[in-house]
Parts: sequence; C-alpha cells; structure tokens
Amino acid sequence: AQSVTQLDSQVPVFEEAPVELRCNYSSSVSVYLFWYVQYPNQGLQLLLKYLSGSTLVKGINGFEAEFNKSQTSFHLRKPSVHISDTAEYFCAVSRSGGSYIPTFGRGTSLIVHP
Amino acid sequence: ETGVTQSPTHLIKTRGQQVTLRCSSQSGHNTVSWYQQALGQGPQFIFQYYREEENGRGNFPPRFSGLQFPNYSSELNVNALELDDSALYLCASSGGQYTDTQYFGPGTRLTVL
Repeated sequence: AQSVTQLDSQVPVFEEAPVELRCNYSSSVSVYLFWYVQYPNQGLQLLLKYLSGSTLVKGINGFEAEFNKSQTSFHLRKPSVHISDTAEYFCAVSRSGGSYIPTFGRGTSLIVHP
Repeated sequence: ETGVTQSPTHLIKTRGQQVTLRCSSQSGHNTVSWYQQALGQGPQFIFQYYREEENGRGNFPPRFSGLQFPNYSSELNVNALELDDSALYLCASSGGQYTDTQYFGPGTRLTVL
C-alpha cells in the first residue's frame, strides 16, 4: 500500500514570492506521483505528474516538482505566485503499472496575499 | 468535447435514507472512478469501473455500490446513510484502467442530517 504525507496544512505567502509545498510518500513498490489543484467548489485538476525519466517535472500554470527517490519526496514549487494560485493542492501516489488508483494526501491550502 | 459532469450539485438527506449520485464521463472515456472527500481531507477512493465491471474498490462498506452503463455514464448508490457520509463525492473519468490521467467532475455535495 502507498501513503502520502503533506507536511503543511496551510501555506500563506505574498504575491510574487516563491513557494514550495511539501509532499512525502511511502511505498514498497515503484510509484507514479501527481499534484492536483482544487479551486473552491470545483473538482480536481491535474497540475503535473511524474511517471519516469527526468526527475524535474514541469506542469501547468508555472508549477514544477522534483522527484527525489532517496528522500521519498515530490515537492511542488513555483518561483512567483499570483493571487489566482490561492487554492487547495493535493499530492497523490499510485503504484506504477496496473490499474491507476491514486492515494491522496490531506491537502495543503495555499493562501496568496496581495 | 464535453467534460465530466455530475448531478445533482447539492443534496440533503436524512440518516437511514438512500441516495443515488450520477456522473457523465468525458467523451471517449471508458473508465470511471468515484471518490469521497470529507471536509478538510483529500479524496478517498471508493471504487473504479472499467467497461461496466468493477475494477477496484477502496475501504468502503458494501452499502456503497455503483454501476457503469453501456454509454459509460455511472451511478454511485449509498444505502442506509450515516452522518459521516456527509462529504463531496467526486467522479473522475479516464481513457482506460491503466491510464494515469483522470478528469474530475465538479462533485456532488451530500449533507446527511
């Protein structure tokens, strides 16, 4: 079984500042890793995913994440945030191969202040 | 290309009642997954259907059941509702059981009183 820990429940940041949302996972098998964003009263939207290859993954809206196998981490970063990035962010892990059934973390609320 | 749609948007039920939630998959998608998202939590996997067959199930009791129809739309049924069933129920569709990209609907907010 896989599990995900999102270390921060809430991250406040000022507009145009950089941000990092932390995610650690646990698994005894190879995994795929994902970050999703959820805006208020909406479903989840995929930001980026790591399946294999380069450990630095670029996604939509200027976000990127780095897969670190030795530290079992997949932290999400953005060099300069905007007010519109205020949302809930979820890290998810799925066993590689087989049916895609992700396990989600509890989420990190990113709050961007003007 | 239409996205994933869910109905109803909101629903209020009382304890012990039964509820049916509906999901229309994105065009061309044959796999649908259902998730329960309690307030302040991440989505929890309920089950997945691939071509009308249940393909995987999370840690939910049998009173949570589902159906997928030949047009790949889907239903989630919950019997004997409990207060803890209050949550946002999300449906996600994808192009196959091994496809890693799911497209989520906006969810149905269920309140059990």
